[in-house]
Order: sequence, then structure tokens, then C-alpha cells
Amino acid sequence: AQSVTQPDIHITVSEGASLELRCNYSYGATPYLFWYVQSPGQGLQLLLKYFSGDTLVQGIKGFEAEFKRSQSSFNLRKPSVHWSDAAEYFCAVYTGGTSYGKLTFGQGTILTVHP
Amino acid sequence: EAQVTQNPRYLITVTGKKLTVTCSQNMNHEYMSWYRQDPGLGLRQIYYSMNVEVTDKGDVPEGYKVSRKEKRNFPLILESPSPNQTSLYFCASREGFLGNQPQHFGDGTRLSIL
Repeated sequence: AQSVTQPDIHITVSEGASLELRCNYSYGATPYLFWYVQSPGQGLQLLLKYFSGDTLVQGIKGFEAEFKRSQSSFNLRKPSVHWSDAAEYFCAVYTGGTSYGKLTFGQGTILTVHP
Repeated sequence: EAQVTQNPRYLITVTGKKLTVTCSQNMNHEYMSWYRQDPGLGLRQIYYSMNVEVTDKGDVPEGYKVSRKEKRNFPLILESPSPNQTSLYFCASREGFLGNQPQHFGDGTRLSIL
């Protein structure tokens, strides 16, 4: 079965600093990969997704992610973090087949931004 | 505005008292699902539905029921809630069952079972 690991439970950065959130997946082929953000008291919002093609994908709010097949990773990056980016971030995969549309989520990474 | 609406947003109740969390979407989506979110575990799928009258178990279905009598509604039923069902619940919908389509989430329902 597929799995997703986000090694960092909590990350703290200063406003204006760069950010990288890690995501590793376990699956035999290339899955569909997603990053979602959850602001306090709200549902999940899709930041970006990767299906195929260019391994560097751009998303909303200035985020980007890079798919690295050799490392089974899909890390999320942002060059300069804003205080409004404080939230919880989830990596998710979809592998099709008998999963019948299910997204498998990582454990989440809580981002704190210091002024 | 396209949205997934869950009610209630917050609920505190007692063990054994049946409760229903409603979920409604206005996008004519075929696929709907319920997740629970627990610290350190991410989101785990409880049940999903690929269309009216078609539902199936996700990863953590024990203690939950669902129904899909209409396309827009997918209520989550806890017949006899227990404290281990205290959690944050999300309903989601998608146009079809293919995972490469964007999934829309409700704002969540925080349940506390005492």
C-alpha cells in the first residue's frame, strides 16, 4: 500500500526566510502528488499538484514543489515566507487502481512564522 | 460559489448519543468522502461514495455509517459515539473518482465525545 511521510512535525522560520517542507512517498510507480494547506479553522486548500511532465511545479501563494523520482520525494518550497503562511501543510498521494479515488495523506507539518 | 458545507462546525456530546454530521456540495460532484484528522496522523478516510447509493469503507470505518440518497448530500452518522471518535472531521467532494481531479474540502467539524 502507498504511504506518505512528512518527517518534520513542526517547523519554525522567520518572516522573509526561505522554506522547504519535506515529503517522501512509498509507491512502485509515479503517483499523483499534491500539497494542501490548512489554515486554522478552515478546510484544506490545494496549493499545487504533480501528475507528469516538468518536475518543478508552481502553485498558488508563491509556492513551488519539485518531484524527484530517485528520492521518492516531493518537497514544497517558498523563497520568502510571509506571516500569513503560518498553517499546517499536508502532502498527499493518489495511486489509482483499487484505491478508488482515495488520497493518502502525510502526517502534516505545522509551520510557525516568527516576525 | 462552489462549496462543501458541513454542519455543525462544533459539537460536544456524550457517549452513546447518536449524532449526524451533514455534508452538502453544490457542484454536482459524483465522488464524496469523509476524513478524520488526528494530531500526528494526518487525514484518514472513513467512507467514500462514488455516486448515489454507492458507498464503501475507507481506512477507518469502524463506528461510522454513511448514506448517499441524493447526489449533493453525504451525511456521516455516529450511531453510538465513543470518546475515541473525538476528532476533526472533513467532508470532501470531487467531480469523479479519479484522483487527479481537484478535491474540495469543507471547513471541518470538531466533535468532542465525553
